[in-house]
Formats: sequence, structure tokens, C-alpha cells
Amino acid sequence: DAEITQSPRHKITETGRQVTLACHQTWNHNNMFWYRQDLGHGLRLIHYSYGVQDTNKGEVSDGYSVSRSNTEDLPLTLESAASSQTSVYFCASSRTRSNEQFFGPGTRLTVL
Amino acid sequence: DQQVKQNSPSLSVQEGRISILNCDYTNSMFDYFLWYKKYPAEGPTFLISISSIKDKNEDGRFTVFLNKSAKHLSLHIVPSQPGDSAVYFCAARDTGNQFYFGTGTSLTVIP
Repeated sequence: DAEITQSPRHKITETGRQVTLACHQTWNHNNMFWYRQDLGHGLRLIHYSYGVQDTNKGEVSDGYSVSRSNTEDLPLTLESAASSQTSVYFCASSRTRSNEQFFGPGTRLTVL
Repeated sequence: DQQVKQNSPSLSVQEGRISILNCDYTNSMFDYFLWYKKYPAEGPTFLISISSIKDKNEDGRFTVFLNKSAKHLSLHIVPSQPGDSAVYFCAARDTGNQFYFGTGTSLTVIP
């Protein structure tokens, strides 16, 4: 069955370190998204991609970057982790830009 | 500023009764609305949606109502079951295909 996976599921890191969160989908969806979920804020869009080599900033993109070298993967990089980036991160994909999104299981990141 | 708001962080309902989850939005340009359901330690899963040209969409026990003049939508679950206990997020899509999510409502269905 097609699916979307995230790794690691849990990560603890220190302030200032570079961290990369992986997202892999097997639906062959062109559209992929990264969100963070924080209490009181719901899900907020960090970055998104509509296809290979396409990346776009979302609502809360500062301190994050993404790259899209193939259809299946959209890794999220925190260049220099900050305590404010402690959160649960969800990757999602969709068949079209306007359709509902399919979410991965999430990565809980703690920055100490 | 939060464009999609769920003002009730939690809701408890007896099994078999109706659950009503509410969502308000501020952007009149939103043209598509969705509800997602989320269990602990899992990602959100799509539940039901409604286009802005409709005022009601039904799928089994789940019905979404849209009141555009009030910028309000609601999700009705009838009858509620213990397996419906989860966090429910409403979301709205703008004309640029950006999705905005509410803060979620935690539903507990009491057996």
C-alpha cells in the first residue's frame, strides 16, 4: 500500500545543531508539505513543494529549509536548531494542489 | 493572526448522542473547507470536506454545515461512538491553494 513515512519519530538535539527530518511518500504525489503543530496554534505551514526542484516558503519558514530532488522525498532541515523549534512536525502530500492532504505520523523534536 | 478558529479546546459527549464541533473563519475568500481527525501519536487523517458553493455535505455519520454569511462551519457526528474520540481540526483553503488549520477540538465520547 502507498504511504507516507517520517523519520525519526522522536529526536532530541541541542541548540545550534543542524537537524534534518526525513519525509518519504510512495503515492507519487507532486505536492508535499511540512507543518509544525504547537499548542494554541494548530498546524502551521513551514514549506511546501509542487514538484521536483520547486520549493516555497510557508507561514513560519524562518530557520527552516527544504529541498526536492525527487518526487518521493522532501527533507526538512533546521540550519541551527533553537528551543523555539521544539514541536511536532508533520509531513503531508496531496494528489493535486487543491485536494485534501495525506499526513505522515509526525516527528517529535525537542531542542535543549 | 489565526484565520481559522476553533474556540472550544475540548468537548465531551455521551455515546449515541450528537457531537457538534464548531469552527469560525475570517477570510471571506476561503473556497473549500475540510475536517481532519487526529489520534494520539498519528498524523491527521482527512474526514470530510465542503465547497463554498454548498451549505451541507453528508458522509455516513458525519455531516458538515457551512454558513458563509456567518463565516462558520460545523461538524456533526451522529450517533457518536467511543472510537470517535480524537482531536478534530478544521481547515480552510484560500484561492492560492494555501491551507489554514484551526487549533483543534479534543472530542471525548463517553461510553
